[in-house]
Amino acid sequence: AQTVTQSQPEMSVQEAETVTLSCTYDTSESNYYLFWYKQPPSRQMILVIRQEAYKQQNATENRFSVNFQKAAKSFSLKISDSQLGDTAMYFCAFMSNYGQNFVFGPGTRLSVLP
Amino acid sequence: SQTIHQWPATLVQPVGSPLSLECTVEGTSNPNLYWYRQAAGRGLQLLFYSVGIGQISSEVPQNLSASRPQDRQFILSSKKLLLSDSGFYLCAWNSLTQGGSGANVLTFGAGSRLTVL
Repeated sequence: AQTVTQSQPEMSVQEAETVTLSCTYDTSESNYYLFWYKQPPSRQMILVIRQEAYKQQNATENRFSVNFQKAAKSFSLKISDSQLGDTAMYFCAFMSNYGQNFVFGPGTRLSVLP
Repeated sequence: SQTIHQWPATLVQPVGSPLSLECTVEGTSNPNLYWYRQAAGRGLQLLFYSVGIGQISSEVPQNLSASRPQDRQFILSSKKLLLSDSGFYLCAWNSLTQGGSGANVLTFGAGSRLTVL
């Protein structure tokens, strides 16, 4: 069974600075998808970024980028120029290419400080 | 475009009362549908998922049940609520056949906050 680990329960960053959230996962499959979701205080789950495992290039979405290390099974999220609105819980998630089940990590609570 | 609706948004129920949370998806057909529960400050626990009408997989034995009476409708129910059923419930959908950047992305409803007293 796949597992997703986020080793940082809480983090904080100063506004306009850069922060990196860590995620590692365990799978025996070679093709899969990885995601970062954001859950602000409203509790709406919002997709931040998606990575397909067969793509070597790291995904980017504006201020958000990932460092995908397939061999190490690592998928970290970098947030540049942090904004107050980035304050949220961030969940790393894995989805097999063959299944319907998403596996979520326990989350990292990020606070952006003014 | 696809949208997902989930209701009610907030619910306060006494112990032993029944529960019905409803979720519908628009703009797609034959989606995979999911119910998750989230305790305060915690991660997501998958409760049920469905790949088609009448096909329900249960991940956690509990006081809850799910049904999918129509292709784009997913209902979470309980006959008698327990205090431990309190939490934030999220419905979600995805489609393995959906093309483009939306492929395989799990899209969530706004959630239902249940308090059992």
